[in-house]
Amino acid sequence: AQTVTQSQPEMSVQEAETVTLSCTYDTSENNYYLFWYKQPPSRQMILVIRQEAYKQQNATENRFSVNFQKAAKSFSLKISDSQLGDTAMYFCAFMKRIQGAQKLVFGQGTRLTINP
Amino acid sequence: DTAVSQTPKYLVTQMGNDKSIKCEQNLGHDTMYWYKQDSKKFLKIMFSYNNKELIINETVPNRFSPKSPDKAHLNLHINSLELGDSAVYFCASSQDLYRGPDTIYFGEGSWLTVV
Repeated sequence: AQTVTQSQPEMSVQEAETVTLSCTYDTSENNYYLFWYKQPPSRQMILVIRQEAYKQQNATENRFSVNFQKAAKSFSLKISDSQLGDTAMYFCAFMKRIQGAQKLVFGQGTRLTINP
Repeated sequence: DTAVSQTPKYLVTQMGNDKSIKCEQNLGHDTMYWYKQDSKKFLKIMFSYNNKELIINETVPNRFSPKSPDKAHLNLHINSLELGDSAVYFCASSQDLYRGPDTIYFGEGSWLTVV
């Protein structure tokens, strides 16, 4: 069974700083996908970034980038030039495809606070 | 227009009652899901339907019964509610993905409190 571990329950940084959230996972599969989701106080689940395991190049989306280390089964999220609006819970997720559906296995989440 | 909409957003009910949460998506997706987020914020999949067919059925008590009248709707009915059912329930949808993963779109969540 796949498991996802986020070892940082909470993090806090000053606005404009760079912050890295950690995520490790365990799987025996070779082809899979990884995601970071953001959940602000509104509770909405928002996709931040995704990574295909077969791609060696790390995904980037504006200020968000990942450090994907397949051999180490590590998938960290870096937020550059952090903004107050980045304050949220962040969830790392592993995706397993089952027929026509995707099963997301989530980590425990990291509560990120950006201070002014 | 909201892509994935759930009703009600908030629900407070007594133990033993039966309640339903409705979900509709207007994205034309083939697959819909129910996820549960407990009091510790842990998110876990409960069910998934693809074109009205049950694809994923995690270890969920029989008191929970999903129903998909068509591929745009996936409702969740809960019988004999218990205190431990208090959680936020998220509906989600995605496109059929044999060509690769697409974004899973989540609803805003339905906050169920059982007293």
